[in-house]
Amino acid sequence: QKEVEQNSGPLSVPEGAIASLNCTYSDRGSQSFFWYRQYSGKSPELIMFIYSNGDKEDGRFTAQLNKASQYVSLLIRDSQPSDSATYLCAVKVPGYSTLTFGKGTMLLVSP
Amino acid sequence: GAVVSQHPSWVICKSGTSVKIECRSLDFQATTMFWYRQFPKQSLMLMATSNEGSKATYEQGVEKDKFLINHASLTLSTLTVTSAHPEDSSFYICSASPPSSSYEQYFGPGTRLTVT
Repeated sequence: QKEVEQNSGPLSVPEGAIASLNCTYSDRGSQSFFWYRQYSGKSPELIMFIYSNGDKEDGRFTAQLNKASQYVSLLIRDSQPSDSATYLCAVKVPGYSTLTFGKGTMLLVSP
Repeated sequence: GAVVSQHPSWVICKSGTSVKIECRSLDFQATTMFWYRQFPKQSLMLMATSNEGSKATYEQGVEKDKFLINHASLTLSTLTVTSAHPEDSSFYICSASPPSSSYEQYFGPGTRLTVT
């Protein structure tokens, strides 16, 4: 059974802080991991992907993958109010043509 | 990243009528496209996988005779909501993966359907 779990939140952080979003997955064979941002009323936007264990940095975003523990996280440094959105974790499970999505974590960044 | 468009961005229709939503991959060819539905404050729900030149694969619980999917070309998939009812009002989003990075999935901007 393929499952991707996220805390629904909301996760509230002050402007300038680091926001840490976590995701766990059930299928050990999962190969690729993605983070999408979805603003209210809009469609998801791909912001990061990671395939290998360790960290991957892109600007203010860092994705962290630990396959042994089956979790992937997204760190947002210097959080801005414009980062307030729902963040969806998605996993590519072997044998499935589409990604498996978590239900998302709502992030609120207060000025 | 790859660009996926949808048309229309929003539509209001009367109960009992049919509505067609188009999904296009603008800068790549997509042999597979995906259709999702999202109700307010709920998560994405995969409805079907659209395959170019063949029948769509529907998820459990999705009525294939109500949600008609046609993937006639490598850049266009359409979703037709037939005999729409108010409970079909939702946000419909398509996505596609470019051949060069088949694991990455890019979403269209979505179509908000309101059935009155």
